[in-house]
Amino acid sequence: DVKVTQSSRYLVKRTGEKVFLECVQDMDHENMFWYRQDPGLGLRLIYFSYDVKMKEKGDIPEGYSVSREKKERFSLILESASTNQTSMYLCASSSSPGFGTGELFFGEGSRLTVL
Amino acid sequence: AQSVTQLGSHVSVSEGALVLLRCNYSSSVPPYLFWYVQYPNQGLQLLLKYTSAATLVKGINGFEAEFKKSETSFHLTKPSAHMSDAAEYFCAVSSKTSYDKVIFGPGTSLSVIP
Repeated sequence: DVKVTQSSRYLVKRTGEKVFLECVQDMDHENMFWYRQDPGLGLRLIYFSYDVKMKEKGDIPEGYSVSREKKERFSLILESASTNQTSMYLCASSSSPGFGTGELFFGEGSRLTVL
Repeated sequence: AQSVTQLGSHVSVSEGALVLLRCNYSSSVPPYLFWYVQYPNQGLQLLLKYTSAATLVKGINGFEAEFKKSETSFHLTKPSAHMSDAAEYFCAVSSKTSYDKVIFGPGTSLSVIP
C-alpha cells in the first residue's frame, strides 16, 4: 500500500519560532510537493521538487523554504513562524514525468497553529 | 493561466438522492482534469481523472464525471448518495506540458442527510 507520511499531525508554535514539517514517501516517487490548505481557498502550492536537491517555487513560497536531501524525504521549513501561517499543510508525491499528468498521493496533513 | 471554479462551497443532499458537484475550468491548452476527495481528518485521494480518452470518466465509489469542452466543465455525479460520501471534494486541472502544476479549486463540502 502506497504511503506518504507526515511526521506531525498537530503542532502549536509561537510567533518567531523555526518550524520543520517532515514528509516521507515509500513509493520511490521522483516528484514531491508541499501544499497549504485554507477554507475557501483550496490547496495552494508552496514548493515542489522533481529530484534530490532540486526545488522550485510554487505559487506562495514567501516565508517558506524546503529541503530534499534524500529522494524519499521532503521537508518544509518556516524560518520564523507568523500567525498568518496557521494552516493545514499537505505533502504529496507523484511519479509522472510531468507533474500534471499523474495522480498525486497525499499525506494526512499537518495542522499548524501559530500563537 | 489555468484556473478552477467550483459552484457552491457547500452542498446538502438526502441519502439516496443524486449528487451533482459542479466544476468549471479555464485552460489555454487541452487539460487534464481531476476530482479528489478528502474525508474528515485525512489527506486527499483521487476519485477519477480525465486525460483525453473517453469524455465520461468512471471513478471509485460509484462516482463519474463528464468532460464537456464546449462548456469547459467537468461536473461530478453519483446517482444515489450514501452517508459515507460526506466529505470535501476538490476539482483540479493541469495540462500536458511537462512539469506543469496541478491547480486546485476551492472545494465543495458535501453533506448527506439521513
